[in-house]
Amino acid sequence: QQPVQSPQAVILREGEDAVINCSSSKALYSVHWYRQKHGEAPVFLMILLKGGEQKGHEKISASFNEKKQQSSLYLTASQLSYSGTYFCGTEEAAGNKLTFGGGTRVLVKP
Amino acid sequence: ETGVTQSPTHLIKTRGQQVTLRCSSQSGHNTVSWYQQALGQGPQFIFQYYREEENGRGNFPPRFSGLQFPNYSSELNVNALELDDSALYLCASSPLLTAYGYTFGSGTRLTVV
Repeated sequence: QQPVQSPQAVILREGEDAVINCSSSKALYSVHWYRQKHGEAPVFLMILLKGGEQKGHEKISASFNEKKQQSSLYLTASQLSYSGTYFCGTEEAAGNKLTFGGGTRVLVKP
Repeated sequence: ETGVTQSPTHLIKTRGQQVTLRCSSQSGHNTVSWYQQALGQGPQFIFQYYREEENGRGNFPPRFSGLQFPNYSSELNVNALELDDSALYLCASSPLLTAYGYTFGSGTRLTVV
C-alpha cells in the first residue's frame, strides 16, 4: 500500500515556507524524498532512517516520526528552483522495495 | 560518473507486441529497480535486481520480466502489450539496495496503440 502525501499541490511565493507530509499505515524502516521536474528524472534529496536524525539538503530539511510512521519535508525560504513534484518513498525493511506516494506538486512564483 | 542511461527514450508499439527496454546503471551500482509511472502519478514498483538476482517484485503480471547482466546493466521485457501499459518506465540504480538512495534515468516513454 502506497504512502499518502499531503497536500496534493501547493503554490508559494519566493521566500515562503511549506511543509509536505507523507504518511504510511505500515511500520517503516526508512523514508526517501525525491524531486521531479517536468520531463525529467526524479532526483534524490535525502533518506531518513528509523532512529536517525533530521536531515537537510540546501534549505530543504525533513524529519521522520517513527511512532506515527510519518515524515515531513520542510521547504524553507523557497527558491524558484524548488518548483517540481516531490515524492516520498517508503521502505518497510532494510533492502526492501521503495514504495512511492502520489506526489506533491510545488510551484514557486517570483 | 556517467549516471543512469535508458534506451530508447520514446517508443510506440501496437497492442499485443513485445518490447525490451534497456538500462545502464551508474558505475559502481549493483542494484537496479524498475518503475512504471503513469501521467500525474507516483512511480509504481515493478521489480528490483541485486547482483543479477531478482530481489523483490511489485504487483505486475508475469508478462513483465527482467534481467540483470554481470556488468549490472538491466533489461525490462513486456510481452503481449496492452493499452494500459502506456507509461514512462524509469530505471533506478543504487550502490547497495536502497541504502544510499536511487539515481534515476530519464526514462522510456512507451505508447501502446
